[in-house]
Amino acid sequence: GENVEQHPSTLSVQEGDSAVIKCTYSDSASNYFPWYKQELGKGPQLIIDIRSNVGEKKDQRIAVTLNKTAKHFSLHITETQPEDSAVYFCAASKDGNNRLAFGKGNQVVVIP
Amino acid sequence: EAQVTQNPRYLITVTGKKLTVTCSQNMNHEYMSWYRQDPGLGLRQIYYSMNVEVTDKGDVPEGYKVSRKEKRNFPLILESPSPNQTSLYFCASRNYDYNEQFFGPGTRLTVL
Repeated sequence: GENVEQHPSTLSVQEGDSAVIKCTYSDSASNYFPWYKQELGKGPQLIIDIRSNVGEKKDQRIAVTLNKTAKHFSLHITETQPEDSAVYFCAASKDGNNRLAFGKGNQVVVIP
Repeated sequence: EAQVTQNPRYLITVTGKKLTVTCSQNMNHEYMSWYRQDPGLGLRQIYYSMNVEVTDKGDVPEGYKVSRKEKRNFPLILESPSPNQTSLYFCASRNYDYNEQFFGPGTRLTVL
């Protein structure tokens, strides 16, 4: 089955700086890559996703890039704010497969 | 308001005492799933359901049962809970045609 790994496990950034979280996946047939944000005491919430036919997608301060050859994808948060502090999960799946494989999560701490 | 609800939110029980965690969604989603979240292990899928009366095992199904008698409900049943099932549990749902999963608020279970 699909195996998704996230690095680093914890990331501390100064407010206003950028944060980058990288994930690698094992199954070259995976074609859907979402990122979820989990705030303390809440369930994960989708913040951005990308499909394998696209190399980059951006939504305001958040962007995701995908490198299919290297089998990795990254979340980029620019101009970080305290409310960006959360656990971020990457995941991967493929069409026709009903199972979404999650990474172990990254704790992002934005220091005011 | 579109949402996934779980009950109870917190539960402390003893080994061997059968329990059920309920999950309900009001978005008419076909797909529902249960995950457990453990420190350092991320989110792991327990069971999922593609529609009424259609369920299948995820990555960690041992010790759990599910049923899908109605489209909106997907209860998680622990027939004989053990301490290694102490965890944070999330229910999620999505429309079959779209990839975004909507998560419930979580149920923190402690088995003594």
